[in-house]
Amino acid sequence: NAGVMQNPRHLVRRRGQEARLRCSPMKGHSHVYWYRQLPEEGLKFMVYLQKENIIDESGMPKERFSAEFPKEGPSILRIQQVVRGDSAAYFCASSPVAFQETQYFGPGTRLLVL
Amino acid sequence: DQQVKQNSPSLSVQEGRISILNCDYTNSMFDYFLWYKKYPAEGPTFLISISSIKDKNEDGRFTVFLNKSAKHLSLHIVPSQPGDSAVYFCAASADTNAGKSTFGDGTTLTVKP
Repeated sequence: NAGVMQNPRHLVRRRGQEARLRCSPMKGHSHVYWYRQLPEEGLKFMVYLQKENIIDESGMPKERFSAEFPKEGPSILRIQQVVRGDSAAYFCASSPVAFQETQYFGPGTRLLVL
Repeated sequence: DQQVKQNSPSLSVQEGRISILNCDYTNSMFDYFLWYKKYPAEGPTFLISISSIKDKNEDGRFTVFLNKSAKHLSLHIVPSQPGDSAVYFCAASADTNAGKSTFGDGTTLTVKP
């Protein structure tokens, strides 16, 4: 029973490039959450998705960031025209229902923007 | 404005003694609180939670206390073990079913043998 999978684990991009982060939820989980952790800080909620729907994107920056969770395949967090301030660890969590206790986190993707 | 604060970035405790990690919040709408444990290069793992209708919840060596009037909660680990060494995050939610939490910055606990 595989846990939440995220890839890549590490991603290096130059300023202006695009970053695509993938999250495969646990089997049977239809709720996905993305969080960002800046150095020396806690996790900050970005977006909550169910299959094919964005439920809450109140934590997403207004520009350059987008997320999707298609009917088939992983959830994707896309960052266009990356800047150095986007360097962070991005964590995905999944749950079978919208309840915090049942959220399982992936190992994260560490994005470094040069 | 940080709504969930963990004022101690680090804590060092001797094995077998009690570890007390503290967390303060400012948003009176928060009614559900969680503690997560995180090892390096891994994602956070849910540890224990408490609803605002309670003031204490216990699970084995871990107990969470909630003081609503002071907007303060604490996590007690007794007895502390070296394997407890990790970063502990406090998180709060205004809706238990929303799935969205506000996290503190974490406290790094080191348990010395």
